[in-house]
Amino acid sequence: QQQVKQSPQSLIVQKGGISIINCAYENTAFDYFPWYQQFPGKGPALLIAIRPDVSEKKEGRFTISFNKSAKQFSLHIMDSQPGDSATYFCAASSGQAGTALIFGKGTTLSVSS
Amino acid sequence: DTAVSQTPKYLVTQMGNDKSIKCEQNLGHDTMYWYKQDSKKFLKIMFSYNNKELIINETVPNRFSPKSPDKAHLNLHINSLELGDSAVYFCASSPANLVDTQYFGPGTRLTVL
Repeated sequence: QQQVKQSPQSLIVQKGGISIINCAYENTAFDYFPWYQQFPGKGPALLIAIRPDVSEKKEGRFTISFNKSAKQFSLHIMDSQPGDSATYFCAASSGQAGTALIFGKGTTLSVSS
Repeated sequence: DTAVSQTPKYLVTQMGNDKSIKCEQNLGHDTMYWYKQDSKKFLKIMFSYNNKELIINETVPNRFSPKSPDKAHLNLHINSLELGDSAVYFCASSPANLVDTQYFGPGTRLTVL
């Protein structure tokens, strides 16, 4: 049973374009929604995260949009750069100590120059 | 000043062997985790420890046994290795005040022949 559904599986964007990755969750107990970025041969690194009390969070070129009623959240990468080419994972957790992150299946982003 | 480190980075072994992967974090975090990333890049929790106590033990074969000698270390021992155990294993840690924010190690690529 997949609790966090992520789409698309892969994405190709032109340099300078906007990359959009979507996720949907099922468990209403989730209250923390991070995005992780993973480069080949490296571990996932926290990119940006949001909690349900806000609908949007922006850090530089990265923005999370959150829709609690629809149980959906998305990552927008503005002015996408070739260095952004990586695999992006959305995740969710319920905020207890030791609680696991439940990950989406990942989106492989390629930014062409 | 490595935050979460794992050894070895690569591990190639024969079916039936027993192997261990070591993880250390120097961030002073209370909680540590093991995740498995399969060939399709899907990340799934295996175990979590909070202050040396087992919190999460997902449906993982009992051939896998985590050991936490102290708060800074969480090792993974695998008995009777099988072909299906081939994957990348990631250790992660999180602080007590931000239980959701998990920092991942560089991963150990295990190949079972």
